[in-house]
Amino acid sequence: DARVTQTPRHKVTEMGQEVTMRCQPILGHNTVFWYRQTMMQGLELLAYFRNRAPLDDSGMPKDRFSAEMPDATLATLKIQPSEPRDSAVYFCASGLEIGVSSYGYTFGSGTRLTVV
Amino acid sequence: DQQVKQNSPSLSVQEGRISILNCDYTNSMFDYFLWYKKYPAEGPTFLISISSIKDKNEDGRFTVFLNKSAKHLSLHIVPSQPGDSAVYFCAASSEGGADGLTFGKGTHLIIQP
Repeated sequence: DARVTQTPRHKVTEMGQEVTMRCQPILGHNTVFWYRQTMMQGLELLAYFRNRAPLDDSGMPKDRFSAEMPDATLATLKIQPSEPRDSAVYFCASGLEIGVSSYGYTFGSGTRLTVV
Repeated sequence: DQQVKQNSPSLSVQEGRISILNCDYTNSMFDYFLWYKKYPAEGPTFLISISSIKDKNEDGRFTVFLNKSAKHLSLHIVPSQPGDSAVYFCAASSEGGADGLTFGKGTHLIIQP
């Protein structure tokens, strides 16, 4: 089964530290999304890429968050400096440009981030 | 402002009966709707989708109904099985799914034996 791989699965860090989350999309998928899940807001879209080009990052706090796709097999989400309110589960998802396709994206298992 | 709303945080249904999960949306530009299922400590898993040109889509035990005039969709699971116990998310998009999804907050479905 093809899957989206996210590392690390869990991360506990102190406030002010830099955090980097990584995602390996499914081979052949050209679109990568980053979502964040919190109790209060549910699942929110942070940013997404198509063919490695950033298309929308309006959901991200610009001053501390950055998302990159250095190559087709790796997407990264970085928080610097981290704050307690960043504690959440961060999901990466990949897919083909869907159009009117009936297939949804494939999500990774998430990175659970705790900032203390 | 929540553009996709799932007003029931939880739903309990007896095994073998029908489960009906509801979702409302406010953005008229949404044209593609999906349901995802999520188990604890896992990512959401795609279940079924529907385009705005249809009003029903069926896949085995799962059927999604779309009422565009009411901006309402529902997921029917018949018959409900213990493995269906999970959190179900409704999601919507305005470009056929290509621009990212707006999710509801989820409904926790519990199937009682």
